[in-house]
Amino acid sequence: GESVGLHLPTLSVQEGDNSIINCAYSNSASDYFIWYKQESGKGPQFIIDIRSNMDKRQGQRVTVLLNKTVKHLSLQIAATQPGDSAVYFCAENIGDRGSTLGRLYFGRGTQLTVWP
Amino acid sequence: DTGVSQNPRHKITKRGQNVTFRCDPISEHNRLYWYRQTLGQGPEFLTYFQNEAQLEKSRLLSDRFSAERPKGSFSTLEIQRTEQGDSAMYLCASSLRGANTGELFFGEGSRLTVL
Repeated sequence: GESVGLHLPTLSVQEGDNSIINCAYSNSASDYFIWYKQESGKGPQFIIDIRSNMDKRQGQRVTVLLNKTVKHLSLQIAATQPGDSAVYFCAENIGDRGSTLGRLYFGRGTQLTVWP
Repeated sequence: DTGVSQNPRHKITKRGQNVTFRCDPISEHNRLYWYRQTLGQGPEFLTYFQNEAQLEKSRLLSDRFSAERPKGSFSTLEIQRTEQGDSAMYLCASSLRGANTGELFFGEGSRLTVL
């Protein structure tokens, strides 16, 4: 079964503030993590990924932090904009990337709402 | 549009009927995935193909579900004798094996409602 979950189902922030979305996982064999954004009526869209041999990765306005000690993942969005309003999912891959990459386990998701 | 395309976008059917969904992946992608998503939940893995070979199937994929990718391009997902519990969004995704990331490119999904 899925081992990925989220601490909070909803998050509301003011435009311009930073957002932090958290995710917990329980499988220590997970070696690869991805954050997806899903807008209403659309499929999930890739945001950023991180491998288990890293603890931080930065993209454009987004940073993912991985704490393997406590099996915790977070997505930080800087200067949050109304267009960032969506459901955010973390997903994990377990095992050998070569053979199982794509069998991603998704968490339940966090609804991010950005107020003007 | 060169993204992942899914048809139909919406399907309403009566319990017991068969339905089929089609997915056209990004043309150069050799991996194709099917996921199912119910309201308020994250996508759940169903199956995936590398070229025409179906390499993995989830235990969620009961005998009533069958997926094919006969020529390694488009794929179909058929659900026989639909049940109300099959109501969900069926998402297709594709990727390129050997790419630097495991990014899956998702389509916009086919929403199934079983009455």
